[in-house]
Amino acid sequence: GAVVSQHPSRVICKSGTSVKIECRSLDFQATTMFWYRQFPKQSLMLMATSNEGSKATYEQGVEKDKFLINHASLTLSTLTVTSAHPEDSSFYICSALRVAGGLDREQFFGPGTRLTVL
Amino acid sequence: KNQVEQSPQSLIILEGKNCTLQCNYTVSPFSNLRWYKQDTGRGPVSLTIMTFSENTKSNGRYTATLDADTKQSSLHITASQLSDSASYICVVSAVDSSYKLIFGSGTRLLVRP
Repeated sequence: GAVVSQHPSRVICKSGTSVKIECRSLDFQATTMFWYRQFPKQSLMLMATSNEGSKATYEQGVEKDKFLINHASLTLSTLTVTSAHPEDSSFYICSALRVAGGLDREQFFGPGTRLTVL
Repeated sequence: KNQVEQSPQSLIILEGKNCTLQCNYTVSPFSNLRWYKQDTGRGPVSLTIMTFSENTKSNGRYTATLDADTKQSSLHITASQLSDSASYICVVSAVDSSYKLIFGSGTRLLVRP
């Protein structure tokens, strides 16, 4: 299967600082990546769709100025949590969409990043 | 409204036993259904994927079934192992251009020795 990596795997930061999380598709190109957030014992919640070379599309209720997404290449998308606060503490997961042709498309998930804001 | 519901919410079984997890969906138009395994603190890993025309698909000790008429799917785990302890998430995608996935809330499985 396709491989998607995330870095860092966990990060602890002080309230008010910004944190950048990287998502890379290692063995395929992805024009579309997705960013999810997951709270304990809950399922994944889509935050935004990241499109290479264009602006991200945010889900309702997600602040685009707080969660900055940059998809500058076909293998890398970054999520920056600006001015992080304790309520932003969560598990952030990215996925990369692999399009093999026709209707064959599948999202491959990264291992996740645990963010703790003190 | 597109929804995916899973049951049970949690399940405890003894090592070596079998179990079946359920998924009902109201996604239309339906494209495909996936079962994922998510270990604690990790990203989801795909177990099976089924399209409209597929009734069953196996991956080792995991067997998924799909009834597109009743919009139900199940995941059967045979001869459970301690490493099967995880959350199992049913995910459905619709036929549209957004590629978005609709997630169930998951079933948390605990396999005890």
